[in-house]
Amino acid sequence: QLQLQESGPGLVKPSETLSLTCTVSSGFISAGAYYWGWVRQPPGKGLEWIGSIFYRGGANYSPSLKSRVTISVDTSKSQLSLKLNSVTAADTAIYYCARLSTTKIGPTSCWDQWGQGTLVTVSS
Amino acid sequence: EVVLTQSPGTLSLSPGERATLSCRASQSVSGSNLAWYQQKPGQAPRLLIYDASSRATGIPDKFSGSGSGTDFTLTISRLEPEDFAVYYCQQYGSSPQTFGQGTKVEIK
Repeated sequence: QLQLQESGPGLVKPSETLSLTCTVSSGFISAGAYYWGWVRQPPGKGLEWIGSIFYRGGANYSPSLKSRVTISVDTSKSQLSLKLNSVTAADTAIYYCARLSTTKIGPTSCWDQWGQGTLVTVSS
Repeated sequence: EVVLTQSPGTLSLSPGERATLSCRASQSVSGSNLAWYQQKPGQAPRLLIYDASSRATGIPDKFSGSGSGTDFTLTISRLEPEDFAVYYCQQYGSSPQTFGQGTKVEIK
């Protein structure tokens, strides 16, 4: 059964880089035509797409975050990673890793499997 | 980018009642690529409906989606206690994909 688990620091200082890892159940990350990605949710607010990637690479990013974000995949570790630099308090959110459904192949689809999410707070 | 506006912001209903949630797009959603999610406190969102009207795996038929173009609806036929939650729509017909701001369905 597919499982996604986010991990990383829960507190990041302003202007520094937020780094998170998502571990995907062994074998799943490079199986089939699935894209993977990150979605975030500020406390008490709505959902925001950050970016998506295929296991062979080639990430797509939200235009509003594109200048600060990098998403990558390490298939040997079955991990997805997120780096967001120059963070501010506005980046405080629950960060979810998730899988894009193959009902529409590509980096823009609906999300059919989610991790539990991890709260990252940006504060000095 | 496509802006999604959900209404109402909060829906106060009693168990057994029918819930009708609206999602309006600022421009036509290509391919009716519109999804609905349910989110309960402390949990990740759960996919309910994709392609406007198709139920995701394991979703009961009390949930139904309809609509096309710019106007979409999620209907919960008879509310049960576990259905009180926040519901989000998402369009993935064009990039960037976007989400609505959510509708909270609360117990009256």
